[in-house]
Amino acid sequence: RKEVEQDPGPFNVPEGATVAFNCTYSNSASQSFFWYRQDCRKEPKLLMSVYSSGNEDGRFTAQLNRASQYISLLIRDSKLSDSATYLCVVNMDTGNQFYFGTGTSLTVIP
Amino acid sequence: NAGVTQTPKFQVLKTGQSMTLQCAQDMNHEYMSWYRQDPGMGLRLIHYSVGAGITDQGEVPNGYNVSRSTTEDFPLRLLSAAPSQTSVYFCASSYVGGGETQYFGPGTRLLVL
Repeated sequence: RKEVEQDPGPFNVPEGATVAFNCTYSNSASQSFFWYRQDCRKEPKLLMSVYSSGNEDGRFTAQLNRASQYISLLIRDSKLSDSATYLCVVNMDTGNQFYFGTGTSLTVIP
Repeated sequence: NAGVTQTPKFQVLKTGQSMTLQCAQDMNHEYMSWYRQDPGMGLRLIHYSVGAGITDQGEVPNGYNVSRSTTEDFPLRLLSAAPSQTSVYFCASSYVGGGETQYFGPGTRLLVL
């Protein structure tokens, strides 16, 4: 069983649409949660951390549900520049090992 | 700051050859790590280090060695390359702590024939 699982997509949405991604993790002792963005043939870059109370950064909202062991990312008013792969990342209780999901591919269509 | 740098960008090896992938960071980060990224598998942790002189194994360490003699550098060695090691390799660094942002290098694309 993978530590972190994501729907790989692809998600193809029109500009201006709202899209949501979910990610589940297996270890209930996991401490830290993140969404990273990876453009084609580039390195991953942090999009946002995910806090227990949920957090928002502009058009992006992240939620954490510890009871069900999943995190989500909501993108509102999608832009063409949002097209990328979104990686769910979980840090286990040791603090030193990060587990990545396989990524969810998003294409925003004009 | 240059951030995290990796060399080479591309490499082709023959089975059985050895090589070292270089990684350096200028952000004074204690934590450094190596990942490989394969289609359908996501990024998987190979080895990591929480400071000079300290290294530990990640999820997929077999076939790879690391050392950390300085804070800045964290080279990854392939002792005898195999076709299964064909992948994209990313180095990352951060401050120590599970909640810290990881900064990734641009990656090394390795093909083993």
